[in-house]
Amino acid sequence: RKEVEQDPGPFNVPEGATVAFNCTYSNSASQSFFWYRQDCRKEPKLLMSVYSSGNEDGRFTAQLNRASQYISLLIRDSKLSDSATYLCVVNRWRDDKIIFGKGTRLHILP
Amino acid sequence: DAGVIQSPRHEVTEMGQEVTLRCKLISGHNSLFWYRQTMMRGLELLIYFNNNVPIDDSGMPEDRFSAKMPNASFSTLKIQPSEPRDSAVYFCASSSTSGSFNEQFFGPGTRLTVL
Repeated sequence: RKEVEQDPGPFNVPEGATVAFNCTYSNSASQSFFWYRQDCRKEPKLLMSVYSSGNEDGRFTAQLNRASQYISLLIRDSKLSDSATYLCVVNRWRDDKIIFGKGTRLHILP
Repeated sequence: DAGVIQSPRHEVTEMGQEVTLRCKLISGHNSLFWYRQTMMRGLELLIYFNNNVPIDDSGMPEDRFSAKMPNASFSTLKIQPSEPRDSAVYFCASSSTSGSFNEQFFGPGTRLTVL
């Protein structure tokens, strides 16, 4: 099993809808989690960190489920500009290893 | 402030040639990361430096790859000799602290094609 796994998609979602996708991780050791966004042919950029208690930033909500070993990203009222690839990132504290998921492609349809 | 600067943006070379990719960190940052991205393997961390010292190079694929940080703001990633399977987008990223993960700022990448 890969250490960080994401559904590659694509998720094709109509504008205004709510979409959610998960990222599963295999190593239960203490670690930090993040979501990055990557537009086509561009570099990844930090979208948000994922806190144990869950966190929200505008239309975006990130949650962590340690028992089931996954993190999630929820996008409400999706916009055309949300079309991108969303990368899950795990930072393993014990050796400071940084592992990126392969990403989930999201297409928001007009 | 300028972001992370990478050069060249595109490189096309023939198998067997030496390739050198360059990266300039954001001023004040002290950690530098080299990544490679392909469709098949996604984004892979090759090596990272903290305060000019290589901390983890376990992602470097083989001896053909080498990375240096001759000063606090500049790094090179060299592939010698290059092979077609090295074709990928190579990203450099920098951050301002060591230890636990902090936001990494990525450069625009170098798209490498080895024929």
